[in-house]
Amino acid sequence: DIQMTQSPASLSASLGETVSIECLTSEGISNDLAWYQQKSGKSPQLLIYTTSRLQDGVPSRFSGSGSGTRYSLKISGMQPEDEADYFCQQSYKYPLTFGSGTKLEIK
Amino acid sequence: VQLVESGGGLVQPGRSLKLSCAASGFTFSDYYMAWVRQAPKKGLEWVATISSSGSTTYYPDSVRGRFTISRDSAKRGLYLQMNSLTSEDTATYYCTRHGLRIDFDYWGQGVMVTVSS
Repeated sequence: DIQMTQSPASLSASLGETVSIECLTSEGISNDLAWYQQKSGKSPQLLIYTTSRLQDGVPSRFSGSGSGTRYSLKISGMQPEDEADYFCQQSYKYPLTFGSGTKLEIK
Repeated sequence: VQLVESGGGLVQPGRSLKLSCAASGFTFSDYYMAWVRQAPKKGLEWVATISSSGSTTYYPDSVRGRFTISRDSAKRGLYLQMNSLTSEDTATYYCTRHGLRIDFDYWGQGVMVTVSS
């Protein structure tokens, strides 16, 4: 199974600040990496797929990058509505696996 | 796209439960579908995937042999039969649609399953 190591576990950011979340995979996944946002009490929502493609309706302040075994999600200019949990997921092969999540809060 | 789960509840250890998901707003028979769960205050765990035709299924080791995913294209329904339930299966179960790759592009609101005596 592909292991996903996501960091940090929690993060506090000021409004307007740029934040980054990292996801390391135990083997190469050919950019098949997705990011999800889960607001409190809600279902997860797909933000980014295949490393850097924004899902329809996702604000452009969200971006994804990476290759090989190292991937990251960046939020350029933290907004109040970005306070949420974020998860990475490898979409390369079964069994599908998720990172452990990052709790992003406003400072 | 709308995915609406039902069938959750409280069940005793060792018993069975079947979840259902009603899909609408897209051509159901074109898409792979899946179930993902989330234990209370925990992360996400993929549980099962079924191909668009229903002919192929995938499971992680944690549920293989106990859970069965199925679909009915005529009813636009996705199902998860869960047998031999344990407390480890306590979670919110989400019905999801697979996207372009095997990510999850749409999620239902989730249904809670509690396994307890």
